[in-house]
Amino acid sequence: SAVISQKPSRDICQRGTSLTIQCQVDSQVTMMFWYRQQPGQSLTLIATANQGSEATYESGFVIDKFPISRPNLTFSTLTVSNMSPEDSSIYLCSVANQRSGNTIYFGEGSWLTVV
Amino acid sequence: GIQVEQSPPDLILQEGANSTLRCNFSDSVNNLQWFHQNPWGQLINLFYIPSGTKQNGRLSATTVATERYSLLYISSSQTTDSGVYFCAVDTSYGKLTFGQGTILTVHP
Repeated sequence: SAVISQKPSRDICQRGTSLTIQCQVDSQVTMMFWYRQQPGQSLTLIATANQGSEATYESGFVIDKFPISRPNLTFSTLTVSNMSPEDSSIYLCSVANQRSGNTIYFGEGSWLTVV
Repeated sequence: GIQVEQSPPDLILQEGANSTLRCNFSDSVNNLQWFHQNPWGQLINLFYIPSGTKQNGRLSATTVATERYSLLYISSSQTTDSGVYFCAVDTSYGKLTFGQGTILTVHP
């Protein structure tokens, strides 16, 4: 299995500001992903964080709003830019590692509330 | 894209009861996982089960890939089983599509 740490775990943000969420894994992993879970909803994939190259975004998500970095095989960041109340969500990092089989693991999540 | 449907959307049980949660998916998948989301938002892996049957304590799961469904069985439910249960399928390595979840409430 993989141990995944996310920071911050929770934050209250002002409208119009940006916040960066960090995801640290205890071992090198092949794939890292970012998901969003809006209140009362299911999880939706935002993007795949690619090591050493630009992230791959899903339909409805754009780099200007959700810039992502992945400088190495154990770390990634997601920035939520120019936040509005609609961005209030749980943001979750997940990893997949072929050495651990195909099981996908999730971090504890980062609860953002935009006021 | 692939569709994932879970039923029932809500389930209320008395402690000690058994339950079955269902997940239907619309296309072939590489992977299927069941998760439990606790009240703090953390997703707990329950099963990685693209096919066949697995058991872990009071929980078990069966996936019939040819018929595109999976079942999660919870026996002798406890209040700590409360939360949201998600089924998620993987059609492109690591990228999961989630169902809408089943909200389980277990009363003492």
